[in-house]
Amino acid sequence: RKEVEQDPGPFNVPEGATVAFNCTYSNSASQSFFWYRQDCRKEPKLLMSVYSSGNEDGRFTAQLNRASQYISLLIRDSKLSDSATYLCVVNTQYGNKLVFGAGTILRVKS
Amino acid sequence: EPEVTQTPSHQVTQMGQEVILRCVPISNHLYFYWYRQILGQKVEFLVSFYNNEISEKSEIFDDQFSVERPDGSNFTLKIRSTKLEDSAMYFCASSEGGGRDTQYFGPGTRLTVL
Repeated sequence: RKEVEQDPGPFNVPEGATVAFNCTYSNSASQSFFWYRQDCRKEPKLLMSVYSSGNEDGRFTAQLNRASQYISLLIRDSKLSDSATYLCVVNTQYGNKLVFGAGTILRVKS
Repeated sequence: EPEVTQTPSHQVTQMGQEVILRCVPISNHLYFYWYRQILGQKVEFLVSFYNNEISEKSEIFDDQFSVERPDGSNFTLKIRSTKLEDSAMYFCASSEGGGRDTQYFGPGTRLTVL
């Protein structure tokens, strides 16, 4: 089983749509969870950290379900500029290394 | 806003040659990392570095790889004898602390081994 699994997509959505991405992780010792965004041939950039209580940042909402080892990202009112690859990332308690999923491609079209 | 910088942006080398990739982490950060991403694949951890020593490394980081912080600002990754399969984007990252602290990535160096 992969350490971090994501649906690769692509998700093709119209502007203004709501889209949700899911991710599962295999290591129950994982302690920190993140969504990063990566544009084509660019570096990953932190979109948001994910907390057990769930958190929201503008149009973006992230949820964590530790029992199911499942992380989600919801994007409301999609913009053309949201087109990117969304990376689910986890970090274990005892190490500093980030473990990346392969990413989910989002294409927002006008 | 402070950022991680990397040089060069693109490095082309012949198989068997040594390359050094350079990074300048964010100035008050204490933890440094190298990751790589082969074209079309996921980002993979190579090594983490703290207090002038390697704190963790992956299976990819074999004897051909080494890291160094030669002065107070630079953090380098050396590949001693490059192979074709070393062709990838190499990202440097830094964080203020370890564990849950956010890692900030540099723009990457694209390494092409011919």
